[in-house]
Amino acid sequence: GAVVSQHPSWVICKSGTSVKIECRSLDFQATTMFWYRQFPKQSLMLMATSNEGSKATYEQGVEKDKFLINHASLTLSTLTVTSAHPEDSSFYICSAPGPSYEEQYFGPGTRLTVT
Amino acid sequence: AQSVAQPEDQVNVAEGNPLTVKCTYSVSGNPYLFWYVQYPNRGLQFLLKYITGDNLVKGSYGFEAEFNKSQTSFHLKKPSALVSDSALYFCAVSDRNQGGKLIFGQGTELSVKP
Repeated sequence: GAVVSQHPSWVICKSGTSVKIECRSLDFQATTMFWYRQFPKQSLMLMATSNEGSKATYEQGVEKDKFLINHASLTLSTLTVTSAHPEDSSFYICSAPGPSYEEQYFGPGTRLTVT
Repeated sequence: AQSVAQPEDQVNVAEGNPLTVKCTYSVSGNPYLFWYVQYPNRGLQFLLKYITGDNLVKGSYGFEAEFNKSQTSFHLKKPSALVSDSALYFCAVSDRNQGGKLIFGQGTELSVKP
């Protein structure tokens, strides 16, 4: 089946620094990818839709200048958390749809801790 | 707007007993409905989906779900629970008009005791 990877799986950074998270579709192309944020034992909150060749679409309430999304190629989307703060600490998960949009393939997630 | 509700934050079941995790949805048009499971500090694992056809959908690990259009429900069931089924379960609906993005329910923590 289709595989989506994320890198890194776990990162610690200091307040005020930026951190980049990569999401790759390993064996299929994805013109669209989705970024979710999850707090412990809570649901996944959709942050934005990453579109290859165009700007990302952000959900209401998500700061686009803080969470920079770049869909660099048909297999790679990146999420950069800029000027990170402790409240940005969370589990970030990406996904990519299959060709018919009947399935979503999820990455394993990235645990971000901001100290 | 599409939405999904999981009315129970937690479900407790004894091993060997049947389990049900509830999900109701609100969508315009015909829904794509999904169940995912998440183990601690892990990504989501796909369990099953309803796209069209038979209302009873069978999925991974012995799970099944019944699509009920009149009650707008898609409850997850398993005839005999295992301790290893203990995890966080999410129901989701897909917005086909927006590239298949998923809207998730709040999640239900399933605890199966021996």
